Amino acid sequence: SQKIEQNSEALNIQEGKTATLTCNYTNYSPAYLQWYRQDPGRGPVFLLLIRENEKEKRKERLKVTFDTTLKQSLFHITASQPADSATYLCALDEGSGGGADGLTFGKGTHLIIQP
Amino acid sequence: EADIYQTPRYLVIGTGKKITLECSQTMGHDKMYWYQQDPGMELHLIHYSYGVNSTEKGDLSSESTVSRIRTEHFPLTLESARPSHTSQYLCASSPSGTGGTEAFFGQGTRLTVV
Repeated sequence: SQKIEQNSEALNIQEGKTATLTCNYTNYSPAYLQWYRQDPGRGPVFLLLIRENEKEKRKERLKVTFDTTLKQSLFHITASQPADSATYLCALDEGSGGGADGLTFGKGTHLIIQP
Repeated sequence: EADIYQTPRYLVIGTGKKITLECSQTMGHDKMYWYQQDPGMELHLIHYSYGVNSTEKGDLSSESTVSRIRTEHFPLTLESARPSHTSQYLCASSPSGTGGTEAFFGQGTRLTVV
């Protein structure tokens, strides 16, 4: 089965800088890769999805890259703000008919934006 | 905010009790899921459903059961709660499709069995 590795240590970034989070996986490349934000005591919220044939995807201050050769996705938040502080989850989507039965989640990276 | 609701948000219950965690969505999604998440750990899929009268077990073995009698409702039941069941339970739904569809999560139920 797939193993997903995300930075287990908290990532501290100064406000205004770009935060970069890493997601590495071990086996075959998934059809899709998704990123979610999770705040303490709440359910994850979907942010971005990238397909295996896409190199990069952007949404406002967010950017995701997907390198199937390196088996890695990078998640960037530009002009970071304290409100961006949260845990960010990477999820592999095998695309087997769609939906979350194909989603395998990483443990997430806790991001702290310092004012 | 996603239109998927879980009740209760918090539950403290004694060992041996039967409990049902409720989950409802108003988006008309066919697919629904239950995940279990311990602090600092990844989400583990314990049950899912493709539609009415469809239920499947997920990757993580669980002593819970689920039912799907109506599209919008996907309750999870523990017949006899144990301290090892203490965890956060997250319900999610997603639209049907060939792949690459986002999951919408509820707020979660934090269960503590004493």
